[in-house]
Amino acid sequence: SAVISQKPSRDICQRGTSLTIQCQVDSQVTMMFWYRQQPGQSLTLIATANQGSEATYESGFVIDKFPISRPNLTFSTLTVSNMSPEDSSIYLCSVFSHTNTGELFFGEGSRLTVL
Amino acid sequence: QQQVKQSPQSLIVQKGGISIINCAYENTAFDYFPWYQQFPGKGPALLIAIRPDVSEKKEGRFTISFNKSAKQFSLHIMDSQPGDSATYFCAAGSGTGRRALTFGSGTRLQVQP
Repeated sequence: SAVISQKPSRDICQRGTSLTIQCQVDSQVTMMFWYRQQPGQSLTLIATANQGSEATYESGFVIDKFPISRPNLTFSTLTVSNMSPEDSSIYLCSVFSHTNTGELFFGEGSRLTVL
Repeated sequence: QQQVKQSPQSLIVQKGGISIINCAYENTAFDYFPWYQQFPGKGPALLIAIRPDVSEKKEGRFTISFNKSAKQFSLHIMDSQPGDSATYFCAAGSGTGRRALTFGSGTRLQVQP
């Protein structure tokens, strides 16, 4: 299994500010995925981050709001920009198992509360 | 994203009973169907998964039943325990192209002692 570390684990933010979430994986992976889990809700894919190329965003998510960096094969960041209370969610980083079994592993998540 | 429908939204089961959660999908390209378990404050953890070449997979007290023609799959938790109380998500994905998973809406399971 992959070990995924996310920082911060939680934060309380003020409206209008931006916060960057870091995701570190213990092995090199081609694709990293960022999901959002709103309170009591399911997981929604925000974007797929490939090293060396622009992230691919899902419908309803845009780069200006959720810029992503992928500087190498073990690290990615997701920024939540100009936050509003509606952005209060758990943001999860995930990667496929390097054994190519299709298993998707998740970090513990970053719980953001926007006041 | 292609939709995966999950039911029930919540479930209360007595200790020792059977918990059953159902999911249905639309996209026939899906060929990988995992179930995730999530405890409060934690990320989802893979519980068990199945591919459409088999109709059932069992791991301990957890069983996935898969009906390809109906495009449905379900999770059965036998001898449910209070420690099983968590939120369960079904998901579906396509191995080809290694796309990310599409998740169901989740089922909050409470096992009463």
